[in-house]
Amino acid sequence: RKEVEQDPGPFNVPEGATVAFNCTYSNSASQSFFWYRQDCRKEPKLLMSVYSSGNEDGRFTAQLNRASQYISLLIRDSKLSDSATYLCVVNLHTGGFKTIFGAGTRLFVKA
Amino acid sequence: DTGVSQDPRHKITKRGQNVTFRCDPISEHNRLYWYRQTLGQGPEFLTYFQNEAQLEKSRLLSDRFSAERPKGSFSTLEIQRTEQGDSAMYLCASSGGGNYGYTFGSGTRLTVV
Repeated sequence: RKEVEQDPGPFNVPEGATVAFNCTYSNSASQSFFWYRQDCRKEPKLLMSVYSSGNEDGRFTAQLNRASQYISLLIRDSKLSDSATYLCVVNLHTGGFKTIFGAGTRLFVKA
Repeated sequence: DTGVSQDPRHKITKRGQNVTFRCDPISEHNRLYWYRQTLGQGPEFLTYFQNEAQLEKSRLLSDRFSAERPKGSFSTLEIQRTEQGDSAMYLCASSGGGNYGYTFGSGTRLTVV
């Protein structure tokens, strides 16, 4: 089992749609969580941190459920420019250091 | 430019040759990371520096790979005796610690022929 698993995608949605991505992690020592966005052939860029209380940044909402070891990202009112791969990221603090990236979920937003 | 810089952007090399990549992190960031990414996968952790100290190395980092950060500023990643399986995007990232995530460079795309 992979340490971080994401919806395989791709997700094909029309402009204006609401889309949700899920991510599960296996290591209960996971301490901090992020969503990154990666455009084709570009580097990943930090989209938002994920907090237990949930957090929102404009059209984007991230949720964390530690009990279920589950993270989600909700995008409302999708734009064409949201088309990208969304990477779920988990930091482990287990004496050493380890940051694990999921394989990503591809999103295509169409006009 | 105050972001993370990587050089070169692209490298094509013949199998068996040695290659070296450079990363210049954001100047005030004391943490520097190297990742490798192949098509359809997320970045895989290779190694991590805090200042000049290499604190963590992945099992992916075989003895053909070596990384340095001699003065706690820029870092180099060397691959000796390259193999076709080394073809990937090599990403460098830096952070100032805490829970703020990373800033990635644009990467070096290595093709071993």
